[in-house]
Parts: sequence; structure tokens; C-alpha cells
Amino acid sequence: EDQVTQSPEALRLQEGESSSLNCSYTVSGLRGLFWYRQDPGKGPEFLFTLYSAGEEKEKERLKATLTKKESFLHITAPKPEDSATYLCAVQSSNEKLTFGTGTRLTIIP
Amino acid sequence: NAGVMQNPRHLVRRRGQEARLRCSPVKGHSHVYWYRQLPEEGLKFMVYLQKENIIDESGMPKERFSAEFPKEGPSILRIQQVVRGDSAAYFCASSRSSSEGYTFGSGTRLTVV
Repeated sequence: EDQVTQSPEALRLQEGESSSLNCSYTVSGLRGLFWYRQDPGKGPEFLFTLYSAGEEKEKERLKATLTKKESFLHITAPKPEDSATYLCAVQSSNEKLTFGTGTRLTIIP
Repeated sequence: NAGVMQNPRHLVRRRGQEARLRCSPVKGHSHVYWYRQLPEEGLKFMVYLQKENIIDESGMPKERFSAEFPKEGPSILRIQQVVRGDSAAYFCASSRSSSEGYTFGSGTRLTVV
């Protein structure tokens, strides 16, 4: 069974303080690893898809990287509007996404 | 492109009633997925549908829950004889193909009283 573990559960940073979120996974035949952002009361918003180890993708202050066992979401010089829950998910050969429980990120002005 | 539309946004049902949740996918998307999210828990897969077909319902409780995605109209998630434990946020997502990232709707928050 596919499994995704995200750490830490919650993270509080000062504005401008860079950090990384971790996503560890076990999956039979990785087709893709996905990062989403979820704001309270809303649906997840797609950020990135990574397909193979060594791949990196960037969007504004966010950069996602992938190894064979884990993915990192690096956030550089975050702003208060980056506060959200960040979700990681894996897709295997059965096509459905399996999600982790997320990291709740709070950026303090 | 209006994105994934879910309605209603909030639904209150008494125990024993039926709940019907609707999802209109992104125009051109033929793959629909339903997920359930409980407070402080992750998104749990329920069912994956394509037009007129259920592809994977391994996450759906065997009783009281059903889903459809007809040739015309929205996808429907139906919960019969609701119980308090059914209270959750139900999210629908769609994609153009199974290898693409999903686009999620804003969810339906079901409260059973």
C-alpha cells in the first residue's frame, strides 16, 4: 500500500526565514509526486508535479526536489501570504493520488 | 474556464436522511475523483470515475455510499441514511488524463445533526 509521511506537522517561521518541508514516501511504481497548497475552507491548489529522482521545479519562493525516497519543498524568504497547509501526494500505477496529512505553515510578520 | 464546481458548499442533514453532492469537472476533463477530508486528517481517496464508468471504488464504504458520472451532467456522490461519522469535507477533483495533476473543487462540507 502506498504511504506518504510529511514532516513537520506544523512549522512557524518569521517572515524571511527560509526552511524546508519534507515528504517521505513508499510507492509501487511512482508515476508522479505532487505538491498542493490548501488554505482554510478551500480545496487544494496544485503547485508542482515531479516525475523522476533528481528533478527540480520552482515557482516564486517555492522549489520542489525529488529523490527516490523523499521530496522537499524549499521555501525561500517566505511572506505571510505563504501561510497555508502544504500537501504532498504520490501517484502509482493504480492512478489514484495518496496524500500525506500535510504541513501547516505559519509565517509571522 | 470555470474550474471544478461543487455544490452545495455546505449541507446539513439529519441522521437517516440522504445527502447528494454534485461536481462539475473542468470543461474537457473526463476523469473525476472524490476524496473525503476529516479534521486534522489527510485527504482520503474514495472513488475514481470516467464518463459512465466506475474505474476504482476501493476507498468507498461498501454500504450507503454510491457515485456516478453520467454521460451528461455532473458527477454525483450519494450518501444514504447518513450518520454523524459521515460529517466531513468532500472534495471532487478532475483531470484530462490519469497522468496529469488534479484540479480540485472547493468542496462540500457535510454536517450530520
